[in-house]
Amino acid sequence: ETGVTQSPTHLIKTRGQQVTLRCSSQSGHNTVSWYQQALGQGPQFIFQYYREEENGRGNFPPRFSGLQFPNYSSELNVNALELDDSALYLCASSRSSGGETQYFGPGTRLLVL
Amino acid sequence: EDQVTQSPEALRLQEGESSSLNCSYTVSGLRGLFWYRQDPGKGPEFLFTLYSAGEEKEKERLKATLTKKESFLHITAPKPEDSATYLCAVSGTASKLTFGTGTRLQVTL
Repeated sequence: ETGVTQSPTHLIKTRGQQVTLRCSSQSGHNTVSWYQQALGQGPQFIFQYYREEENGRGNFPPRFSGLQFPNYSSELNVNALELDDSALYLCASSRSSGGETQYFGPGTRLLVL
Repeated sequence: EDQVTQSPEALRLQEGESSSLNCSYTVSGLRGLFWYRQDPGKGPEFLFTLYSAGEEKEKERLKATLTKKESFLHITAPKPEDSATYLCAVSGTASKLTFGTGTRLQVTL
């Protein structure tokens, strides 16, 4: 069984640019959640997608947006990058929304200069 | 708003020296409490899910317990390979996980 995969593994961007991060969910999972993890902190919830619809959003501005595709893979898009967006971005998939165990991918390390 | 507090922030143990990590939480309608292990620069690795007070789960040298206000992760006779950050998270009425800041565990020979 293939686990959660993310691409790219590392990314360097400059302030003001836009970035797209990708996530493939685990087989049999229809829900994908995205988290941002700053150094030394716990992951912070960005949003969740369930069957291609947004199903909850954390305290992140609208320049953070996402998509989920019919095969349940997902994208996270961040516009107008700021220095504080530098972090590890984590994707997690689960069998469904609402209390199911979430399994995480390896993450994408984003550095904004 | 859901909240999770983990203690201690860091813990250094000698190999074989057992200890416990604490996770205190407040949540509206607990759906699950989760423990993860995270190695530097990697994604969290799932360890346990606990759903109700009194529940216990074990895996190798780790045992997780749950009460109505807190959870403990007991580590028995740890080895150097148990060194990692241990994260606790809760899922409430919202669909998200709320994480604590983690406990950094170092196990030395």
